[in-house]
Amino acid sequence: GDSVTQMEGPVTLSEEAFLTINCTYTATGYPSLFWYVQYPGEGLQLLLKATKADDKGSNKGFEATYRKETTSFHLEKGSVQVSDSAVYFCALQGTTAGGTSYGKLTFGQGTILTVHP
Amino acid sequence: GAGVSQSPSNKVTEKGKDVELRCDPISGHTALYWYRQSLGQGLEFLIYFQGNSAPDKSGLPSDRFSAERTGGSVSTLTIQRTQQEDSAVYLCASSPGRTIYGYTFGSGTRLTVV
Repeated sequence: GDSVTQMEGPVTLSEEAFLTINCTYTATGYPSLFWYVQYPGEGLQLLLKATKADDKGSNKGFEATYRKETTSFHLEKGSVQVSDSAVYFCALQGTTAGGTSYGKLTFGQGTILTVHP
Repeated sequence: GAGVSQSPSNKVTEKGKDVELRCDPISGHTALYWYRQSLGQGLEFLIYFQGNSAPDKSGLPSDRFSAERTGGSVSTLTIQRTQQEDSAVYLCASSPGRTIYGYTFGSGTRLTVV
């Protein structure tokens, strides 16, 4: 079945440091890939997505590139801020070759990011 | 509505009681999903609705768990004879349909079984 593996946290960085959170997946078909973020006390929010190989999703300074050859979707940000402290989830949604979604998202375990001033 | 609405936001119940959790999806969203977020377990898929039917309920952990959706809108997740291991945050999400979209999640219901 589908699975997502995220780097284990927690990750602690100083403000303006470079961030990478690794994510690899196994899936049949042609999955779409997502990063969700959960800020303290808030619900899950979609951060970015990529729907096919070599697509780059980006939002709020975060980027992730869909690498089919390495089955990876690593999240990066060049300069983190204190306000980026949150839990980050990598997820995939399986699809058929015709692009029809199977529906459910399969999530990684989540990575806690703490950014200090 | 503007977002996915879940109620109650918090629920404390005694072991052995039944509970009902409600989800109001975004108007017009045909797909609705329930997930469970437990400490140390990450996010666990429970059930998926397309309209009023549930083509995938593979994630329901036992026959104490059931869900229904009526009118292609509101969904209710029912847990019978609650156990302490049912304590978790139950998240609902909706999306426009069977296309490649991310979902919109509700804020969740925190269930505590004492």
